[in-house]
Amino acid sequence: DAGVIQSPRHEVTEMGQEVTLRCKPISGHDYLFWYRQTMMRGLELLIYFNNNVPIDDSGMPEDRFSAKMPNASFSTLKIQPSEPRDSAVYFCASRRGPSLQETQYFGPGTRLLVL
Amino acid sequence: QKEVEQDPGPLSVPEGAIVSLNCTYSNSAFQYFMWYRQYSRKGPELLMYTYSSGNKEDGRFTAQVDKSSKYISLFIRDSQPSDSATYLCAMTKGNYGQNFVFGPGTRLSVLP
Repeated sequence: DAGVIQSPRHEVTEMGQEVTLRCKPISGHDYLFWYRQTMMRGLELLIYFNNNVPIDDSGMPEDRFSAKMPNASFSTLKIQPSEPRDSAVYFCASRRGPSLQETQYFGPGTRLLVL
Repeated sequence: QKEVEQDPGPLSVPEGAIVSLNCTYSNSAFQYFMWYRQYSRKGPELLMYTYSSGNKEDGRFTAQVDKSSKYISLFIRDSQPSDSATYLCAMTKGNYGQNFVFGPGTRLSVLP
């Protein structure tokens, strides 16, 4: 398996622009997670899906952030409009089942810089 | 006070040394504890997973949980340059809890 795939790997954009991050989870994994990592705040869970349904979006910072999972093999995280404080590494992760005994696999991340 | 604290390092040790990485936490409801390793410009990968208090060993790695002190540790024996990475602790309240709380990470350098 190729693991969790994220695109783009790097994104540089200007404040006010729309940013779309993409994720393909590992096939057969029912859980998908979006995280954000910064030096100041560390790794934070933004939202997670179970069987394509958003379960907990309490970590989404504000209405400028939205996430969708139209099918089992694809998810997007959108920021509109983007702001410099959104600059971070965004990770997607997936897991087969709900139990912690199932390993959560992280993608390589998307490095976002908002100027 | 942050919910989970870690010494950010960097921690530099010579090859072969025993390394001790630690996290403290404030929420006594946490029951499940994990250690992740994150290489530079990569996603975190799970190293160890433990439940409640006690020790768990896996090769050169030992995870230790002391719930009474709200303190967890990861020990690395015979450290190797390939162990150079950032180590993140994470914890959650239930086995089916998906909302992990991560520590800020400790950067470790093992010098050859």
